[in-house]
Amino acid sequence: SQQGEEDPQALSIQEGENATMNCSYKTSINNLQWYRQNSGRGLVHLILIRSNEREKHSGRLRVTLDTSKKSSSLLITASRAADTASYFCATPGGSYIPTFGRGTSLIVHP
Amino acid sequence: DTEVTQTPKHLVMGMTNKKSLKCEQHMGHRAMYWYKQKAKKPPELMFVYSYEKLSINESVPSRFSPECPNSSLLNLHLHALQPEDSALYLCASSQREGLAAYEQYFGPGTRLTVT
Repeated sequence: SQQGEEDPQALSIQEGENATMNCSYKTSINNLQWYRQNSGRGLVHLILIRSNEREKHSGRLRVTLDTSKKSSSLLITASRAADTASYFCATPGGSYIPTFGRGTSLIVHP
Repeated sequence: DTEVTQTPKHLVMGMTNKKSLKCEQHMGHRAMYWYKQKAKKPPELMFVYSYEKLSINESVPSRFSPECPNSSLLNLHLHALQPEDSALYLCASSQREGLAAYEQYFGPGTRLTVT
């Protein structure tokens, strides 16, 4: 069953702007992952953040995790047209298999 | 090699056909997964193989039959599918399955259309 819920469902910005998307979840977790999916393709792993971490960076990506609020955010700085994709958060479900939220569809206009 | 390959890329089949989807990885991963994804929806887990043994079957209809011949290969055999089974089928692998968090590596998917 789906645990993570991304917000907003859709986001449209101009190149160079920052994009922020959020993920809320219901039960305690030991990690949270973010994935990107370009249209009709496989998912690409972006960042894994563990429950004892508050923030992680990877290039232009910054992920935060607030376990008290059961939420995470993904920030993409200085966005590019190539960042256009769907972004999913994944939290451990049954047997700790990642379970994906419904995703945020990001469009970056050149 | 951090690639998961899937064949075919596209498949059109009738409801009486039998076909197979194939997935391969050479990263030494011991957990492999099949997901089904409908348009504008998140991937939904179908099966998990851990050390070549089926560990999770998410109540998938028997017209989908997974097989893991060895640690690098994963098949999904299809028989008597319904039009509502049309979707993107994604294969993924990870080092292990279980409590420790492992990132999943996904293949590009097979776009299946059932007519």
